[in-house]
Amino acid sequence: EDKVVQSPLSLVVHEGDTVTLNCSYEVTNFRSLLWYKQEKKAPTFLFMLTSSGIEKKSGRLSSILDKKELFSILNITATQTGDSAIYLCAVNTGTASKLTFGTGTRLQVTL
Amino acid sequence: GAVVSQHPSWVICKSGTSVKIECRSLDFQATTMFWYRQFPKQSLMLMATSNEGSKATYEQGVEKDKFLINHASLTLSTLTVTSAHPEDSSFYICSASTTSGYLYNEQFFGPGTRLTVL
Repeated sequence: EDKVVQSPLSLVVHEGDTVTLNCSYEVTNFRSLLWYKQEKKAPTFLFMLTSSGIEKKSGRLSSILDKKELFSILNITATQTGDSAIYLCAVNTGTASKLTFGTGTRLQVTL
Repeated sequence: GAVVSQHPSWVICKSGTSVKIECRSLDFQATTMFWYRQFPKQSLMLMATSNEGSKATYEQGVEKDKFLINHASLTLSTLTVTSAHPEDSSFYICSASTTSGYLYNEQFFGPGTRLTVL
């Protein structure tokens, strides 16, 4: 059975802090790993990673994949209250682009 | 491009009634649509995968007679929760993907439908 595990489950930080969110996976047919941000509605896409060691960056967010150790991290620097959300990691196993989602990390950024 | 809509956004119904949720791809043809359910403070759980014109493939533990999925066209899939009960109250999210063009195999999510069964 395909499995995606995120840690921590929940995190509270002060505005300006840097956070690292973790995602590890065990799947039979890896195609890509995706990060999403979910606020009140459906997830919004952040990154898609397919190759090891290549950092993807968007503003204060960045992510990298390690296909040997089967994990990815999502970094957020200089956090803001608007970063408060659930961050979901999902693995595309290539079977009709099926996604297996992790448990999510709930991030709260306080003033 | 790649917009997916859901209707309704929020529905409250009485126990025992059936509720239909629509998922539409607005600017692309969705060869595959996915239905997810998300309970409070939990992650998205895939319920079923449907390909246009064929029967849906349900995940283990999801009752196909209770959650009827129809994917009659390349832009529309519907999920009908039959004889809904309070334990069916959840956030239902659809996503759509296509096998053509630059959008190949990416999933695009709808905004979700919150179902509350009284």
